[in-house]
Amino acid sequence: DTGVSQDPRHKITKRGQNVTFRCDPISEHNRLYWYRQTLGQGPEFLTYFQNEAQLEKSRLLSDRFSAERPKGSFSTLEIQRTEQGDSAMYLCASTLDQTEAFFGQGTRLTVV
Amino acid sequence: GENVEQHPSTLSVQEGDSAVIKCTYSDSASNYFPWYKQELGKGPQLIIDIRSNVGEKKDQRIAVTLNKTAKHFSLHITETQPEDSAVYFCAASAYQKVTFGTGTKLQVIP
Repeated sequence: DTGVSQDPRHKITKRGQNVTFRCDPISEHNRLYWYRQTLGQGPEFLTYFQNEAQLEKSRLLSDRFSAERPKGSFSTLEIQRTEQGDSAMYLCASTLDQTEAFFGQGTRLTVV
Repeated sequence: GENVEQHPSTLSVQEGDSAVIKCTYSDSASNYFPWYKQELGKGPQLIIDIRSNVGEKKDQRIAVTLNKTAKHFSLHITETQPEDSAVYFCAASAYQKVTFGTGTKLQVIP
């Protein structure tokens, strides 16, 4: 296992379309986080899972956003009816309990 | 919730000089303070971290200090090299959630 993997790396979509991103964490890591990063800013917390349970969601995560981690391994983040303001880098990170978080390379979303 | 402030937003230093980045946090429950380096087009990469029971930690040219009373923590890079050029983020963790600062763009001039 070489680290956290995210797919796709880049996504361009038209406004109003739905998109789904995937994150494969480091295999033994039980916690998985989603962050959003806009240009010139630090990553902003969206949500996190402990195993398959979604334990916290940020107020940034509107009802158009949904995340799942059905088997406690990979996770998906879906954005419905995308808006231009959704354009950002979506980062996934995983940790084992309270150890260091490892980030993936991110998925850059552009909504046109 | 936690609020992390980071300064400066940009920093230029000559190769070989030291660079210092400072952060403050608001939530006294934060007990873990990682620092990340992010290069263009890549995800953040952990470079060093410190826990609240330690005041200082060093790893080769990189050191972090933590003042829990004042809720301050800092990153020190000595003998900077051009490959240190990147954006650096401090972060504070409480209740399993990591809150990031706004980043410092470090430029090391050869």
